[in-house]
Formats: sequence, C-alpha cells, structure tokens
Amino acid sequence: GENVEQHPSTLSVQEGDSAVIKCTYSDSASNYFPWYKQELGKRPQLIIDIRSNVGEKKDQRIAVTLNKTAKHFSLHITETQPEDSAVYFCAATLIQGAQKLVFGQGTRLTINP
Amino acid sequence: KAGVTQTPRYLIKTRGQQVTLSCSPISGHRSVSWYQQTPGQGLQFLFEYFSETQRNKGNFPGRFSGRQFSNSRSEMNVSTLELGDSALYLCASSPWGHRSEETQYFGPGTRLLVL
Repeated sequence: GENVEQHPSTLSVQEGDSAVIKCTYSDSASNYFPWYKQELGKRPQLIIDIRSNVGEKKDQRIAVTLNKTAKHFSLHITETQPEDSAVYFCAATLIQGAQKLVFGQGTRLTINP
Repeated sequence: KAGVTQTPRYLIKTRGQQVTLSCSPISGHRSVSWYQQTPGQGLQFLFEYFSETQRNKGNFPGRFSGRQFSNSRSEMNVSTLELGDSALYLCASSPWGHRSEETQYFGPGTRLLVL
C-alpha cells in the first residue's frame, strides 16, 4: 500500500555540522514531496518542497534532492543552528487531483551547541 | 492573510462521548484536509473536502466523519470516543486542491484527550 519510510528517527549533530534525513516512497505515481518542520507544541510548517520534474532544490541552508528511479528523497541542512532543533517530516502525495499527504514517521533533530 | 484556525484548542472527553472539531481555512482556500497525529502512528490522513464534498478518505473507521460548509469552513466529528482517539487533530488548507502538489498550510491543531 501507500507508504513513506523516513530515517533516521532521531539525529543529533553538533552546531555548524550538516544533517541529512532520508525518505523512500512506494508509489511511483507520487509527484510532490514536501518537508515540514514541527517545533514542540506547534503546527507543522512547510520548509521546502520538490516536484517530480525537478532533481534538486535549494533554499539558503536547506536543500532537497529527489531520485525518482530509486524512489527516494532527502533533506539536507547545512551549517546547523540551535533553532533547527525540531521534528522533521517528509511527505508524498499519492493521488492526483486530491490533497492527500502520506507522511514519514518523523525525525527528531537535536543540534548540540 | 490570517492563517488556518482551529477550535477548540484543547478538549477532554470520556469514552463513549462524541466530539466536533472546527477548522477555518485561509481566506480563499477551498480544500481542507484533516490529519490525526499520535506519537505511535505519526501523522495520518483522515479525509479531504473540497466544495462541500469529501474527495478522499483515509483508513479510519466510520466513527470519524466530516463536512464542509459553503464558506469552506470544515468540521470533523468523532462518535463513540475510544481511548485510542486521544491525539492532536490537525487540519490543513490549500487554494484549489485540484493539483496534488499544492502546498498545504496547517492549523495549530486541537488536542483531544479521551479518559
């Protein structure tokens, strides 16, 4: 069935280092892959997204890559800062013409000062 | 523009009761989706409404239902509450919902505790 797997479930990095979170999806028809950041007690906030016709997208310290053949996509955060500490969720849309996000299980990222 | 709003923010109910949650989308947005967030299951899709019609439904029992009004505001209802229904219920809106790759904007959620 529809499935998005996300790894790792927890990630701890030193401030200034890079963090990478990886996701795989099961349905080759998926065409949109957003990443959300959720701070404790707050709503998920979109931080970056990528569409299936693009292989990579960057926004300042954040980048996302997509490999459609392997059906996986990754989030890269460079020069991490304490405020990057949060839970990050990847997602994929699996149905055309309707809004349905299938989320990964989330990665708790901790930036150590 | 004001963001997505949800009421109430917190709710405590007992088993067997029913509950209604409300979501007001961003002005002009016509698609509203609902998600359940729990520590064990993560974020799971409940259903999506567009133009007062349910377009898609997740794998939840019939106790979970929803509706959308002509002003795009949406409500979800859970009947015969169970302990396992304790969760954060999030709604998200997007402009048209015709294309699956539209960005969804989340509300703050309603935290439901079932005792």
